[in-house]
Amino acid sequence: DGGITQSPKYLFRKEGQNVTLSCEQNLNHDAMYWYRQDPGQGLRLIYYSQIVNDFQKGDIAEGYSVSREKKESFPLTVTSAQKNPTAFYLCASAPIRDSLHQPQHFGDGTRLSIL
Amino acid sequence: QKEVEQDPGPLSVPEGAIVSLNCTYSNSAFQYFMWYRQYSRKGPELLMYTYSSGNKEDGRFTAQVDKSSKYISLFIRDSQPSDSATYLCAMSALSGDMRFGAGTRLTVKP
Repeated sequence: DGGITQSPKYLFRKEGQNVTLSCEQNLNHDAMYWYRQDPGQGLRLIYYSQIVNDFQKGDIAEGYSVSREKKESFPLTVTSAQKNPTAFYLCASAPIRDSLHQPQHFGDGTRLSIL
Repeated sequence: QKEVEQDPGPLSVPEGAIVSLNCTYSNSAFQYFMWYRQYSRKGPELLMYTYSSGNKEDGRFTAQVDKSSKYISLFIRDSQPSDSATYLCAMSALSGDMRFGAGTRLTVKP
């Protein structure tokens, strides 16, 4: 079954702690993305990656870090520098054909809360 | 002014009604237009994808794009309780830069 798997579904962070959210896709998509979703706001882009070992900051990258060591995996670390981390985090992936990004497909998200 | 404006609702309709969901945008660089459906505690699911002005139909869903007015719509015919969800519009430039609306929460009552 092809898809995007995010884990864990729920995550709690203590003050001063870094936490890592997992995102794995078996769709053979080139591009992967991380978004943050807050009530009443559209999805906001944190980071994206079009190719292994390369990634770019999105609109709200401060306090977050990513890596892309494998095509299938794009983990997101929420660092202690992110002062308001409580949100629903969504990972997405998309193929790139003829240099054009195709529609993104999403995982089922991780809900992060502060303890 | 936000790049993408979407009425957050909530919108409540009786079963069988025609639903109209709308978004406006300000960036002329947007060339691709999408509608996603998001159930509670789930990720968005792609419903419709179009890149030209006009209508695109898929079953009970019709996506409409008017690039001259920078206005897109999603129509749902014969709405069902299972259509109750949040609907997100999204649009993308050729570069892949993508923007989402805040979402409209729809409830279809039996």
